[in-house]
Amino acid sequence: ELKVEQNPLFLSMQEGKNYTIYCNYSTTSDRLYWYRQDPGKSLESLFVLLSNGAVKQEGRLMASLDTKARLSTLHITAAVHDLSATYFCAVDSSALRGGADGLTFGKGTHLIIQP
Amino acid sequence: KAGVTQTPRYLIKTRGQQVTLSCSPISGHRSVSWYQQTPGQGLQFLFEYFSETQRNKGNFPGRFSGRQFSNSRSEMNVSTLELGDSALYLCASSFDRDGTEAFFGQGTRLTVV
Repeated sequence: ELKVEQNPLFLSMQEGKNYTIYCNYSTTSDRLYWYRQDPGKSLESLFVLLSNGAVKQEGRLMASLDTKARLSTLHITAAVHDLSATYFCAVDSSALRGGADGLTFGKGTHLIIQP
Repeated sequence: KAGVTQTPRYLIKTRGQQVTLSCSPISGHRSVSWYQQTPGQGLQFLFEYFSETQRNKGNFPGRFSGRQFSNSRSEMNVSTLELGDSALYLCASSFDRDGTEAFFGQGTRLTVV
């Protein structure tokens, strides 16, 4: 069974600081996704990482994937209040020799950025 | 370009009833997946449909079922509702399954009383 673990689950930080959210997963996969969810809203796709060593950046967010370590990171640079949200990583296991779990999500990182 | 549309947005049902939720994917997308989100269990995969066929199914009881129509619209049905079925049900649309990006609808908030 694929397990996806995010840490930290809760993060309070100040504007202007840098921080990293980690996503570890238990089974080989080369497809990892990051989503953002605002309270009461749906999931917004941030990044799609499809190969080992993939790195993608959008504004103050940068995501990377190391399939050998089964680790993805979401790095926040010079945080601003608007980035406050819950961030989820999700691993696609359906390509794993008949895997049938769709996207397996981490529990999410609740991020609060204070002025 | 219209996004993923889920209806209704909110529902209140009584235990024992059944409910049908609808999802219209982005035009041209052929894959529709359903997820249940609860505070305790987080986001859990229910099932995925592609070209009117269920391709994958998560670990949910048989009370949860779904289907997809020829226009890619999908419905999910929950019979004999239980209090624990109260959740946000999210539908995701993607062009195909091979690593293509999934876009989520606004969700249907189901409350079972």
